[in-house]
Amino acid sequence: GQNIDQPTEMTATEGAIVQINCTYQTSGFNGLFWYQQHAGEAPTFLSYNVLDGLEEKGRFSSFLSRSKGYSYLLLKELQMKDSASYLCAGMNYGGSQGNLIFGKGTKLSVKP
Amino acid sequence: DAGVIQSPRHEVTEMGQEVTLRCKPISGHDYLFWYRQTMMRGLELLIYFNNNVPIDDSGMPEDRFSAKMPNASFSTLKIQPSEPRDSAVYFCASSPAGVYGTDTQYFGPGTRLTVL
Repeated sequence: GQNIDQPTEMTATEGAIVQINCTYQTSGFNGLFWYQQHAGEAPTFLSYNVLDGLEEKGRFSSFLSRSKGYSYLLLKELQMKDSASYLCAGMNYGGSQGNLIFGKGTKLSVKP
Repeated sequence: DAGVIQSPRHEVTEMGQEVTLRCKPISGHDYLFWYRQTMMRGLELLIYFNNNVPIDDSGMPEDRFSAKMPNASFSTLKIQPSEPRDSAVYFCASSPAGVYGTDTQYFGPGTRLTVL
């Protein structure tokens, strides 16, 4: 099956920049999603990359390299409210077209 | 739009009882997904539907789990009989059709199930 790997936890300081990495098997995925999930809440969509390169959305940017099976989410000017889990998900272009395979998430703690 | 609606938000039941979780997707979305989330296993896809038809149920843990989508605005996930290991948060999500099948998925608030 498809595997998605991301660090379990990260800590960063308010106002800083943090990069959350995600690696996956290169075959079978067509597009990479990032979701944010605050404790006790539902995942909410952050970004989607289908082509190589950087997608920027305000303080958040996401990068994809399909040949390397690698993506990252970059968060700038960190705020306390950015403390959450960040889930990387690959869109499965294989037999079950279109469903997402999620990583276990990276829990980000932002400290003052 | 009200977003994806799930009920109940919390369910506590005893082992052996039947549990039914409900979901109303966003109007106009062609795809509906049921997920289960636990600390140990993360977010797992159980089953998904396209235009009310089940497409992939390979994630359904066993015969105790069943899901239906009788129409475009309603789906149920049933566990019968329930067991303590079924305790988890169950999310429903919906998405419109996209170029590669589905598009961005929008999640409901989830149902926190506790089986004693």
